Amino acid sequence: DVKVTQSSRYLVKRTGEKVFLECVQDMDHENMFWYRQDPGLGLRLIYFSYDVKMKEKGDIPEGYSVSREKKERFSLILESASTNQTSMYLCASSLWGQGIDTEAFFGQGTRLTVV
Amino acid sequence: KNEVEQSPQNLTAQEGEFITINCSYSVGISALHWLQQHPGGGIVSLFMLSSGKKKHGRLIATINIQEKHSSLHITASHPRDSAVYICAAAGWTSGSRLTFGEGTQLTVNP
Repeated sequence: DVKVTQSSRYLVKRTGEKVFLECVQDMDHENMFWYRQDPGLGLRLIYFSYDVKMKEKGDIPEGYSVSREKKERFSLILESASTNQTSMYLCASSLWGQGIDTEAFFGQGTRLTVV
Repeated sequence: KNEVEQSPQNLTAQEGEFITINCSYSVGISALHWLQQHPGGGIVSLFMLSSGKKKHGRLIATINIQEKHSSLHITASHPRDSAVYICAAAGWTSGSRLTFGEGTQLTVNP
């Protein structure tokens, strides 16, 4: 059974803090993704990674960075948290390919509040 | 215009009703996904299809490749079906990267 685990369900941070969100998957997937989800906007891709140390910007990378030092772990970093980064953050993983390989497995989400 | 559009955005039904959620996409796809998100956040995959129709219990997903349209049907709806339903497209040129619709909030009342 595929498992994607995010380090926290709920997080409250202060404006200006550096924030780390961790995600670990146990299925040897090549791809890992970080999304944020906001009411009325759906899921938006922040960054994704298709291999260790490889990363690509998604649709809304500003204010974020990522790290993938090991295949199973993908970290999202908010360099200096701001109130407009209050959101639900979802991590996902998938195989590399087309068709059935695009099935994504999601973590349980981290609800981040920046005060 | 979004590449993936869902309708309706919100849907309220009475228990037992037949429900349809629609998804239209503008890109060529290798797969179309239907996802379910319950309150609390976790997202699970319901269906992944590239042609025809799939059925799992009371849920049916169909896709018309020529019309670039997919539907998710729920027969004999139940309050436990209340959730956000999201369609997502995997484009041929985007590999495993998915493009998401905005989601449909379904509420089924007893």
